[in-house]
Amino acid sequence: QKEVEQNSGPLSVPEGAIASLNCTYSDRGSQSFFWYRQYSGKSPELIMFIYSNGDKEDGRFTAQLNKASQYVSLLIRDSQPSDSATYLCAVSPTDKLIFGTGTRLQVFP
Amino acid sequence: EPEVTQTPSHQVTQMGQEVILRCVPISNHLYFYWYRQILGQKVEFLVSFYNNEISEKSEIFDDQFSVERPDGSNFTLKIRSTKLEDSAMYFCASSEGHSKDEQYFGPGTRLTVT
Repeated sequence: QKEVEQNSGPLSVPEGAIASLNCTYSDRGSQSFFWYRQYSGKSPELIMFIYSNGDKEDGRFTAQLNKASQYVSLLIRDSQPSDSATYLCAVSPTDKLIFGTGTRLQVFP
Repeated sequence: EPEVTQTPSHQVTQMGQEVILRCVPISNHLYFYWYRQILGQKVEFLVSFYNNEISEKSEIFDDQFSVERPDGSNFTLKIRSTKLEDSAMYFCASSEGHSKDEQYFGPGTRLTVT
């Protein structure tokens, strides 16, 4: 069983729209949840983290966590072409990060 | 803004050779990590390091691999006898305090084994 699952995409949204990215995880003991953005050939860049159930907003990004459903999501408002990248969900049950395979987001003008 | 740095950016080596990948974590961070990403695949955890010892390692991190903090700034990953399947991007990361804190990644070293 995969530990962190994401739809690989691509998710295509028009510029200015809301992009919704989803992730489920299997380890109920996970305490920390992260979203990274990875441009092709580059390293993961941390964009959001969330530790408690509910929503957390930072600029155009909102992370949502539902531990009962083992579900994490990322909303990107007013999507821009520069947001086009692969978004990695990561979960931390212990020291390590367990990554999903990522969802490729394409924002078209 | 402080960042994790890694050298070299690209390393080409022959099968069976030893390589050392170098990282300088963010200066006030206490936890250090190595991850790898084979082309087209997901990022995989290799090892975490705290207080001068390994705190956790994955099944990938076998006897071929070792880590070291030789001085107050560098953190290294040694691969003793490289195999073709070791070709990947290797990322170093660090976090400030608690092991479940946010991890910040370096730019990576692309290792090509021929």
